[in-house]
Amino acid sequence: AQSVTQLDSHVSVSEGTPVLLRCNYSSSYSPSLFWYVQHPNKGLQLLLKYTSAATLVKGINGFEAEFKKSETSFHLTKPSAHMSDAAEYFCVVSDRGFGNEKLTFGTGTRLTIIP
Amino acid sequence: KAGVTQTPRYLIKTRGQQVTLSCSPISGHRSVSWYQQTPGQGLQFLFEYFSETQRNKGNFPGRFSGRQFSNSRSEMNVSTLELGDSALYLCASSLPYLAEYNEQFFGPGTRLTVL
Repeated sequence: AQSVTQLDSHVSVSEGTPVLLRCNYSSSYSPSLFWYVQHPNKGLQLLLKYTSAATLVKGINGFEAEFKKSETSFHLTKPSAHMSDAAEYFCVVSDRGFGNEKLTFGTGTRLTIIP
Repeated sequence: KAGVTQTPRYLIKTRGQQVTLSCSPISGHRSVSWYQQTPGQGLQFLFEYFSETQRNKGNFPGRFSGRQFSNSRSEMNVSTLELGDSALYLCASSLPYLAEYNEQFFGPGTRLTVL
């Protein structure tokens, strides 16, 4: 069975400071990992995805995440927060392969940006 | 290319009624998944359809059902509505042939309120 744990339900950072959103995963097989963002009253947008090609994954809007198999972690980072980054962020895991379209979501981390 | 569309965007029903939600996937996508999002339970997988067949199913009662048409459009139905069915229902589509990872594209959701 697959699962993800987002270690912080709420993170607050000042504008211009680094962002760190933490995620640990559990998967029986080689997983696919994603970070999605959800702005208020909006659908989910994919920030970045992990394949087996590279452990450091770069996404949109300056976000990146590093896959660490030994730590079963996939933390999301951004060097400098912007006001527009305020949103809910979801770490997501899926077993890789055809027929495994089921996504398992973490409980989400609400990111607040302080002006 | 148009994104995933969901209709209606908002719906108000009363207990005991039934409801049908519609999802049109991105052109060329043949897999459609449905998710329920509530403040208490977060994002939970309902089911996934591929080539008009339900291929994966989450842990929801039989009141929740779905189907997929030959053009890949999908509908989900909830019968005998309960107050707890109030939620944002999200539809996602994907290209299931990308076995390396299963990126899903989400629609804006249908907000269902049960009174």
